[in-house]
Parts: sequence; structure tokens; C-alpha cells
Amino acid sequence: AQSVTQPDIHITVSEGASLELRCNYSYGATPYLFWYVQSPGQGLQLLLKYFSGDTLVQGIKGFEAEFKRSQSSFNLRKPSVHWSDAAEYFCAVEGDSYDKVIFGPGTSLSVIP
Amino acid sequence: GAGVSQSPRYKVAKRGQDVALRCDPISGHVSLFWYQQALGQGPEFLTYFQNEAQLDKSGLPSDRFFAERPEGSVSTLKIQRTQQEDSAVYLCASSSGAERGNEQFFGPGTRLTVL
Repeated sequence: AQSVTQPDIHITVSEGASLELRCNYSYGATPYLFWYVQSPGQGLQLLLKYFSGDTLVQGIKGFEAEFKRSQSSFNLRKPSVHWSDAAEYFCAVEGDSYDKVIFGPGTSLSVIP
Repeated sequence: GAGVSQSPRYKVAKRGQDVALRCDPISGHVSLFWYQQALGQGPEFLTYFQNEAQLDKSGLPSDRFFAERPEGSVSTLKIQRTQQEDSAVYLCASSSGAERGNEQFFGPGTRLTVL
């Protein structure tokens, strides 16, 4: 069965610094991978997704993620963090069945001015 | 409306009460999902509808949980005889298709607190 781990429960970065959020997945075949962001009081918003092809995918708000099959990882990056990026970030994997999207436990991001 | 809406946004129930949570998906969206998000956790799948058909309810934690989508649009998640462990945010999502990789659009959630 597929699963997702996010090793960092909470990360604090300074505004303008670079960011990398880690995600590892477990799935036998090629997974469909997603990153979502959840701001306080808001619904989950899709940042980006990977299905196939180029392993570096670009998303909204200046985020990108790189799929590395050898490491079973799909880490999220941003070159320069803005205060408005403070939120909860969830990595997710979709396996064989359309309705089975498995979310990781999330990483909480704080941004210091 | 442009997005998925859920009501009520907050619900406080006494243990043993029944509650009903409503989801209005994006108009025309075929697929509808319910998730449960406990504090500090990621969302966990509860159930999935394709139009009015409930195709997967494997995530419902007990027979106290019941969901319906009778006309293929609005959905209701009902919890009978609520327990403290039911306290969570209940998220609804919809998507336009039924294929792998379709983007799910999430509502703001209903925060349920059972006293």
C-alpha cells in the first residue's frame, strides 16, 4: 500500500531564504505525486503535481519539486520565501485507484521577517 | 459560487448527538470526496462519489458515519451518536473528472468538536 512520510514536522526560515521541504513515498509503480498548501482557515490548494516526463516540475507561487525515483522522494523547493508562504504543506500520492489519495502528515512552515 | 463550500464551518456537538455536514461542490464536478483531518495530521480519505454513486466508502471509520449525494451534486456527511474521537476537521473536495491525476478542489472544511 502506498504511504507518504514528511520527516520535518516544523521548519522555520527567514524571509528571503531558500526552502526545501522533504517528502518520501512508498509505492510500487510510478506514482502520481502532489504538493498541497493549507493556510489557516483556508482549504487545501494544489501547488504542483507530477505524473511523468520531466522530473522537475514547476508550480504556482514560485514553487518547484523534483521527483527522484532512486530515492523515492519528491521534495518541494522555493528559492526565496515570502512571509505569505507561512502555512502547512502536505505531500500526497495517488496510486492505482483514482480515489485513493494518501496524504503525508504535513510540514508546518514559519517565516521570520 | 466559484469554489467548494461547506456548512457549517464550525459545529459543537454533545457526545451522543447526531450531526450533518453539508458540501456544495463546484457545479458540474463529477467526483466528490470526503476527508477527515485530525489535529496536526494530514487529511484521511473517508468516501468517494462519482455523480450520485458512492463508489468507495472504505475510509468511513464506523457504521455511525454515513454519506449521501442523492442528485449528484450536494453531499451530506452524517455522523450518528457522535463520540469525542470524531472531533476533527471534515474536508470536502470535488473534481471535474474521474481519471487519475484530476485536481481535487477543496472546501474550507467543517471543524467538529464533540464535548
